[in-house]
This record gives sequence, structure tokens and C-alpha cells, in this order.
Amino acid sequence: GAVVSQHPSRVICKSGTSVKIECRSLDFQATTMFWYRQFPKQSLMLMATSNEGSKATYEQGVEKDKFLINHASLTLSTLTVTSAHPEDSSFYICSARGARVFEQYFGPGTRLTVT
Amino acid sequence: GIQVEQSPPDLILQEGANSTLRCNFSDSVNNLQWFHQNPWGQLINLFYIPSGTKQNGRLSATTVATERYSLLYISSSQTTDSGVYFCAVDYKLSFGAGTTVTVRA
Repeated sequence: GAVVSQHPSRVICKSGTSVKIECRSLDFQATTMFWYRQFPKQSLMLMATSNEGSKATYEQGVEKDKFLINHASLTLSTLTVTSAHPEDSSFYICSARGARVFEQYFGPGTRLTVT
Repeated sequence: GIQVEQSPPDLILQEGANSTLRCNFSDSVNNLQWFHQNPWGQLINLFYIPSGTKQNGRLSATTVATERYSLLYISSSQTTDSGVYFCAVDYKLSFGAGTTVTVRA
């Protein structure tokens, strides 16, 4: 149980374009989803927290107009990187948590390369 | 926010050896998880352990919440144990910098 999927696993896009990443909880209802970013050989940094049906809460320094997060259902959250630039190239990982529990489960990640 | 420190940063083991990884955190927490990140980037849940001791096969973990630290034990290490081990705490999971474990055959 507690499986989280992400799509796509890899994406290469040109500078200035937008990219959407999907995160799905496959076998449980995710009341809260989290989006992280990980640069090479570094730890995970939380970007934003989203609760189903409400606006995402962004961490300090994360541009909400650049990283659009939608959590429209209890099994799906999306992250859209708008007007991507090479410095947005990174490994993006989502996680999900069910109601009344603290344990988080992570997706396999999406490697974004902006050329 | 809560500060999380992991030690050692790197660990090289011979297959079959035992090891201990440490996680210190700066404030009381209601959530602590240990993860193993494999070479493909997938984070694998090892333990959800805000307090107490748990064991799962060759791995075990202990968290002493009152003293703000947690330990992850790897016994009889195997090459497949290689990777980065992360400790993360609190509701929004603040991550430590990780311990990179390399197990040599």
C-alpha cells in the first residue's frame, strides 16, 4: 500500500516553455501533498504544501507565480513550472499524506532539464 | 525552522559490517522518518519513528525524543544498502543533509 506515482519521470524542455508534472496517490486518499526540489548531491528542499481543494502554501523564496500547484482531488496534485529557465533544471519529488497520519510517502521523482 | 544534522556525511563499509547513522534535531518533533534514496532517486520509507525502537530485518532505528536524536542501525551490510540515507522531521519533513553509504564487496 501507500504508492505514489509521478509523471513524467524525465522531461527536457526549451527555455521559456512550461512543464506540468503530475503526482498521484494510487491506493489512498492524500489530503495533503508536498512538492520538493533536489539539486545534485544535495538534500531535499520543500517548495510548497497543498491541501485538497485549497490554495498551496509556498515556502519562503519559492515563487508561487512560477511554480503553480493545483490539488484538485484527493489523489492528484500537479506542479507546473512556468516559463522555465536552465536554473530550474532539477529533480522534483512529490509526497503525499493521508488524513490523521504523519507518515509521508514519496513519488519516484521527475528529472527536469531546461535547455 | 527545525535544524536537522546527520552524521557521518559519508560512510564506507565492507560487506558484512555493521554501522550506525545518527540524526540530531533542534526541537521537539511529532514526526521522524528515515529514508533510503536509491541510485534512481526514489525515496524508500524505512521507518516512521517519532519515538521508541523499531526493527525491520537487518535495519533497526531508535529515537530518543527527549534528547532529540535518532539512530539508524544497519547490520550485516550488503552492497544493495548503498545509497543516501536521510532523516526528516516534523509535519512538513525538514530533511537532514544525508549520509552517503557505500558498501564494498
